[in-house]
Amino acid sequence: NAGVTQTPKFRILKIGQSMTLQCTQDMNHNYMYWYRQDPGMGLKLIYYSVGAGITDKGEVPNGYNVSRSTTEDFPLRLELAAPSQTSVYFCASTLPPADTQYFGPGTRLTVL
Amino acid sequence: GENVEQHPSTLSVQEGDSAVIKCTYSDSASNYFPWYKQELGKRPQLIIDIRSNVGEKKDQRIAVTLNKTAKHFSLHITETQPEDSAVYFCAAPYYSGGGADGLTFGKGTHLIIQP
Repeated sequence: NAGVTQTPKFRILKIGQSMTLQCTQDMNHNYMYWYRQDPGMGLKLIYYSVGAGITDKGEVPNGYNVSRSTTEDFPLRLELAAPSQTSVYFCASTLPPADTQYFGPGTRLTVL
Repeated sequence: GENVEQHPSTLSVQEGDSAVIKCTYSDSASNYFPWYKQELGKRPQLIIDIRSNVGEKKDQRIAVTLNKTAKHFSLHITETQPEDSAVYFCAAPYYSGGGADGLTFGKGTHLIIQP
């Protein structure tokens, strides 16, 4: 199993551009998450999904959108990128009733 | 959502000594408390977790204690080694109850092991 994979690893965006961060897991986990980690800080929950077709907001959802059309994929969409969205983005997944979350390697995004 | 406070932000200990990191949480309904280790440029890795039905859990040199009455939990690392140097994060469920609906993290503790 590859676990949780994310693409791209790095990206530089200009203010106002948009992009999609990809996340895929091959563990058949039905719960998936997006977090952001600002320098020197802990992770903050952006969105999560409990299964295909179901998504919900976390602590910092503004400026982002998600979709979940399959169990494996959970893309994160940034519309109108802003410098405040410069961060490292981590995708994670789990299979309830377990709580253990498995993280992807992260995407480092810079908005200039 | 849950609020998690973590202390200290930096901890420097001599190799072989013990290290203790403390966290407090706000939601009394929370029942799952993981600890993650993150090396520079890497993803967070779960090192130990505890559920609210136990007060302590050990795994070799690592232990976690939980005081539900006081709403705090701690990470204990004994016989520290150079490879223990990293940033450690505590977490609690963002929504009431278990962690499957997402986690809220502390700000992290940078643990430095001095040779």
